[in-house]
This record gives sequence, C-alpha cells and structure tokens, in this order.
Amino acid sequence: SAVISQKPSRDICQRGTSLTIQCQVDSQVTMMFWYRQQPGQSLTLIATANQGSEATYESGFVIDKFPISRPNLTFSTLTVSNMSPEDSSIYLCSVESSGQETQYFGPGTRLLVL
Amino acid sequence: AQSVTQLDSHVSVSEGTPVLLRCNYSSSYSPSLFWYVQHPNKGLQLLLKYTSAATLVKGINGFEAEFKKSETSFHLTKPSAHMSDAAEYFCVVSENDYKLSFGAGTTVTVRA
Repeated sequence: SAVISQKPSRDICQRGTSLTIQCQVDSQVTMMFWYRQQPGQSLTLIATANQGSEATYESGFVIDKFPISRPNLTFSTLTVSNMSPEDSSIYLCSVESSGQETQYFGPGTRLLVL
Repeated sequence: AQSVTQLDSHVSVSEGTPVLLRCNYSSSYSPSLFWYVQHPNKGLQLLLKYTSAATLVKGINGFEAEFKKSETSFHLTKPSAHMSDAAEYFCVVSENDYKLSFGAGTTVTVRA
C-alpha cells in the first residue's frame, strides 16, 4: 500500500485564522479524499480532491470554508478557513488507486482551535 | 443508501480471551465491507476487507471477519486478545463508488 504523510501532525490555532494541511503520497494515486473526525466521533467525508479541477464537496461542506487543491497525482492540501473552536478535529487524507477498491489513510492532523 | 451499525460502543476483554465486535450493514447493492483500526493518536489502519470473494476473510494481526448476507452482518473476531489490540475499531461499507460509510466505532480495552 502507499505511504501517506501529513503535515502538520498537530497544531493549536487561534480562532479566525486559517490552517493549510498537506497530504503527500509516495506513489501516484487515482483518488484522494479528505475526512474530518470530530472528538469522540466517527469519520465524515469532507470532499474528494480532483486532480486539475475543483474538489467535489459532500453535503454540509463548502469550498469557502474548506478550500482544497490537488496540483498532481501525489499531493493535496486542505485549508480550514476562519477557524472556530467547532473546527477542532482530526483531519485525515485518504487515497485509492484505480482497481484497488480500498482506501488507505494518512496519520491525520490533530487541530485544536482556541 | 448504505449504512453501518456497530452494535457495541465499548468492549472489554481479558488478555488471551476471544474478541467479538459486531457490525450490521444496510446496502442496496452488493457491498464491499471493511474493518479499520485506529490506535490512540494514530491514523486508520486497514485490518481486512470483503469484496464478494470468500465469505470468511482473514486480516492482519490474527483478526478475521465473516460476511453473512442473510443476516447483513460482518462481525470481527480474534481468538486471543493481546494488550496491543486496545484501540478503536470501525466497520465500513462501500457500494459501487468510492464513498465510505463509517460505523460509530467500538472501543476495545484489554485487561491484563
């Protein structure tokens, strides 16, 4: 399976600021995704990061709040904009290659907003 | 529409005894089913997956799961728990596309 890294691994931020999270894969992958895991909760899909085009967002998530980039087949970023304490969560990226039918997850970014 | 119900939010076992984590799913199609594990302060690791091949699926670290279509279940078992099995376990279903639906999770604690 692919080796996935995320930066930063954790951060503490002030409300009203923005944080950009990076996801790097060691091989080219077809699909990249971003998930949110709120404290004590399960995972919720935020969006699919599409290479060369706008991300596809799930219900309840909007581009202004969570802009996503995917400039190539191995890298994506998620920005959490104008943060509030409710944004305190673990943010995870995942990847899937064509034909694998399996998503592999990065280690996550633990965000605390004060 | 697809969904997953993990029947136990918390399971506590003694080291060396069997572990059973229960999962029921709902799907309009022939689903793919997964179990992932999340250790404290770690990401998610794939334990095993079912994709319409053998109904008994063997995974890593001695875990296995049995797909029972008649019961719409995909329970996870391990014959002998180890202290390192203490973690959060997620049952996940996927239909024909990439979208994963996660269960609420089961926290496993292992007593020495």
